Amino acid sequence: QSVLTQPPSVSGAPGQRVTISCTGSSSNIGAGYDVHWYQQLPGTAPKLLIYGNNNRPSGVPERFSGSKSGTSASLAISGLQAEDEFDYYCQSYDSSLSGWLFGGGTKLTVL
Amino acid sequence: QLQLQESGPGLVKPSETLSLTCTVSGGSINNRNYYWGWIRQPPGKGLEWIGTIYYSESTYYSPSLKSRVTISVDTSKKQFSLKLSSVTAADTAVYYCARHVGYDYVRGSYRLPSEYYYYYMDVWGKGTAVTVSS
Repeated sequence: QSVLTQPPSVSGAPGQRVTISCTGSSSNIGAGYDVHWYQQLPGTAPKLLIYGNNNRPSGVPERFSGSKSGTSASLAISGLQAEDEFDYYCQSYDSSLSGWLFGGGTKLTVL
Repeated sequence: QLQLQESGPGLVKPSETLSLTCTVSGGSINNRNYYWGWIRQPPGKGLEWIGTIYYSESTYYSPSLKSRVTISVDTSKKQFSLKLSSVTAADTAVYYCARHVGYDYVRGSYRLPSEYYYYYMDVWGKGTAVTVSS
């Protein structure tokens, strides 16, 4: 069971803004470790979407943004498009586990 | 552009050892800015970190798998490898290798290797499916 908790699914209409939460604890996000986000189409490799809480790698649209506060982080997607239908995973480091960990993943559905 | 490619048997018998190799191309495996790791994804489930290695010097393993996992690097072959012993059906998954990096956007430079807890996975292999079955 992941110690980073994400909602199993979120949905939104085209053009809308959706957010995906990632709730951790004092041994990971709350300890100050960065949160990173990945985008995955089932059957393919994950792709880095956001690193260092709120930074976008080259080629990632500005519609994607990240934030972190306390023991939680969020991924926001504005101007939702049909091609945004992916699974999204948050990732951080946990001092209790002494290792990297992923959230359980969130499936985004564009209505 | 750096690429990673996993290879190994697609079918492993229960109680045996799963062995996979990740070959690095288009870049150096010796770059001390990077760590190298393995992540898996059981069918229909989420991503699970298995373990990570730094330049043959340090290894980090998931506590839940630590007793069964060994990760090693062969820099001469530009490869790093995963061995998972005593496998069961629960180890059936797609296995990915990935490069870990820690770029500090604010400072505009790579984080020190000792700051590995800030690292993330920026390059992934395509993954290889492994089924554990007799």
